[in-house]
Amino acid sequence: AQKVTQAQTEISVVEKEDVTLDCVYETRDTTYYLFWYKQPPSGELVFLIRRNSFDEQNEISGRYSWNFQKSTSSFNFTITASQVVDSAVYFCALILNRDDKIIFGKGTRLHILP
Amino acid sequence: EPEVTQTPSHQVTQMGQEVILRCVPISNHLYFYWYRQILGQKVEFLVSFYNNEISEKSEIFDDQFSVERPDGSNFTLKIRSTKLEDSAMYFCASSGRGAPGELFFGEGSRLTVL
Repeated sequence: AQKVTQAQTEISVVEKEDVTLDCVYETRDTTYYLFWYKQPPSGELVFLIRRNSFDEQNEISGRYSWNFQKSTSSFNFTITASQVVDSAVYFCALILNRDDKIIFGKGTRLHILP
Repeated sequence: EPEVTQTPSHQVTQMGQEVILRCVPISNHLYFYWYRQILGQKVEFLVSFYNNEISEKSEIFDDQFSVERPDGSNFTLKIRSTKLEDSAMYFCASSGRGAPGELFFGEGSRLTVL
């Protein structure tokens, strides 16, 4: 069975600090995709990144970076120099290549304190 | 940029009433989905729809739920007789199958059952 675990339920950091959100996934499939979504207080789901299982290159987009390690089944998300606007719930998710439903983790609620 | 739109953004209803949530997927997309998020919890798959029929549904999607694509543009979720536990945010998503998991989510419809 497939599973996504976000062990950190809630994190608070002071603005400008770096913060890493952890994500560990489980699947026996060799082809799959991993995602991060942001859910701000307004409630919508904002797509941040998709990564396929064959691409372990780390990715950086502005203040965001992602570290994908198949050896540890992890897909961690780092926000550098955090800002108050980064406050949101962040979901890690998994989808199999043979399937079309996304499996979400329980989310990590991130508070950036001014 | 094309987007998935959902109406209403928020609906309050009495227990036992029928509710219809509407979605307009991205116009050239072929795969449609409903997901649900109970307040403070993770996002859960409800149902997928392709070629005018349900392709997969979760155990949550019982006989009280139905989906329909009444015309070429709308995709609806009907809850026949709402229960208190149906209170949640309902997300519609669509996919053109450009890549597995390339789902585009709407902003959600918040349903409150009293």
